[in-house]
Amino acid sequence: AQKVTQAQTEISVVEKEDVTLDCVYETRDTTYYLFWYKQPPSGELVFLIRRNSFDEQNEISGRYSWNFQKSTSSFNFTITASQVVDSAVYFCALSVPYQTGANNLFFGTGTRLTVIP
Amino acid sequence: DAGVTQSPTHLIKTRGQQVTLRCSPKSGHDTVSWYQQALGQGPQFIFQYYEEEERQRGNFPDRFSGHQFPNYSSELNVNALLLGDSALYLCASSLSGEGRGYTFGSGTRLTVV
Repeated sequence: AQKVTQAQTEISVVEKEDVTLDCVYETRDTTYYLFWYKQPPSGELVFLIRRNSFDEQNEISGRYSWNFQKSTSSFNFTITASQVVDSAVYFCALSVPYQTGANNLFFGTGTRLTVIP
Repeated sequence: DAGVTQSPTHLIKTRGQQVTLRCSPKSGHDTVSWYQQALGQGPQFIFQYYEEEERQRGNFPDRFSGHQFPNYSSELNVNALLLGDSALYLCASSLSGEGRGYTFGSGTRLTVV
């Protein structure tokens, strides 16, 4: 069975502070994909990153960075110098390929980030 | 290039009624998935359609059914609505293949009273 745990329900930071959102996943599959999505109040899930299980390189995109560690089954997300526009709910998700060809996402419960000006 | 379009945006139904939600995938995408997101929770997978057939289904009762049309658009039908069906219903489209990127719509907010 697949499971994603986001232990941090809510986080508040002051603008310009750095913040890390934690994600721990469980799967017995050796091939899987990890995602981070941002959900603003409008409701749409905005894709941030996808990482496959064979690529443990950390990635940086502007103020965003991701740390993937298979040894601890974690895929953490760091926002550097946070801004008010970063306020949203962030979801970590896991996808595994099925023999049917399907590849649905298993989501964590999300972390609500509030950046205080 | 339009992304995923869902209609209606909001809907209020009475318990026991039936509802149909619609989704147009992003141009070039051939796979449509539906998710239910209860308030304060992460989205839960309902089912995925590809080539007009249900390819995978999550842990949802048969009251939830769907359809995919030749133009890849999709419908989600829910019969005998319960109060617990109140949620944001999200449609995601993708191009067939493992671990491809998903594009989500803004969802339909269903309220059952």
